Amino acid sequence: GAVVSQHPSWVICKSGTSVKIECRSLDFQATTMFWYRQFPKQSLMLMATSNEGSKATYEQGVEKDKFLINHASLTLSTLTVTSAHPEDSSFYICSALPGMGEAFFGQGTRLTVV
Amino acid sequence: GESVGLHLPTLSVQEGDNSIINCAYSNSASDYFIWYKQESGKGPQFIIDIRSNMDKRQGQRVTVLLNKTVKHLSLQIAATQPGDSAVYFCAENYTGRRALTFGSGTRLQVQP
Repeated sequence: GAVVSQHPSWVICKSGTSVKIECRSLDFQATTMFWYRQFPKQSLMLMATSNEGSKATYEQGVEKDKFLINHASLTLSTLTVTSAHPEDSSFYICSALPGMGEAFFGQGTRLTVV
Repeated sequence: GESVGLHLPTLSVQEGDNSIINCAYSNSASDYFIWYKQESGKGPQFIIDIRSNMDKRQGQRVTVLLNKTVKHLSLQIAATQPGDSAVYFCAENYTGRRALTFGSGTRLQVQP
C-alpha cells in the first residue's frame, strides 16, 4: 500500500519553543493531507486539512496561528506547533489520500512539552 | 483544554475465538466506512473498508457488516490471535468530504 512517513517520531521541547513536524507521501502525490491529534485513550480528532498551494482549512476550535500548516509540494506537508505549552503534548498524526478511497496514515509524532 | 482521559471500552477474548467489535455512527449521509487498527505508539493501520451500497464485505480473517437502518458497523475477526491485540477504530466519511471522522475506539485484548 501507499506509504506516508512522519518525522520526527517523537520530540521533547521546552515550553515556549516551536516544533515542526513533517509528513511526506513517499510513493504518491497528495494534493490534500490531514492532520489529527490524539490524546491518551482517546480517538483521533481532525485538526486541519492541508491543501497543496493554498491555505489550510482548520476545524472549529483549532487555532490556526498556533498550529501552522504548510503544504508546499505534492509530497510534503508540515505542521508547526508555535509557542508550545504542556497542554499541547499529544500524539500528532498525518494522513494522505492517493485518490478516492482509503486514507494512509503516518506513524505519528509524540510531542512532549516540558 | 485537554479532556480527562477516557477509558476505552475493552473486549477481552481467548486466542482462537472470534471477536466482534461494534461501532455506531450518527451521520446518515456517511457513505464510506473504514476499520483501522492502532497499536500503541503507532499510526492507524487500514484493515477493511465498505461502501454504503454494500452490507457485508470480507477480507482475510476479517468481515465488516454495515446496517444503515440503525447506523451500525461491526468488525468480525475470525480465530483471533495475540497479534490482533490493539485499539480498533471505525471511521466514516461522505461524498464530498475527504477527511475521516473517527469513532471512539475499542481495545481488543487477546488472552493466550
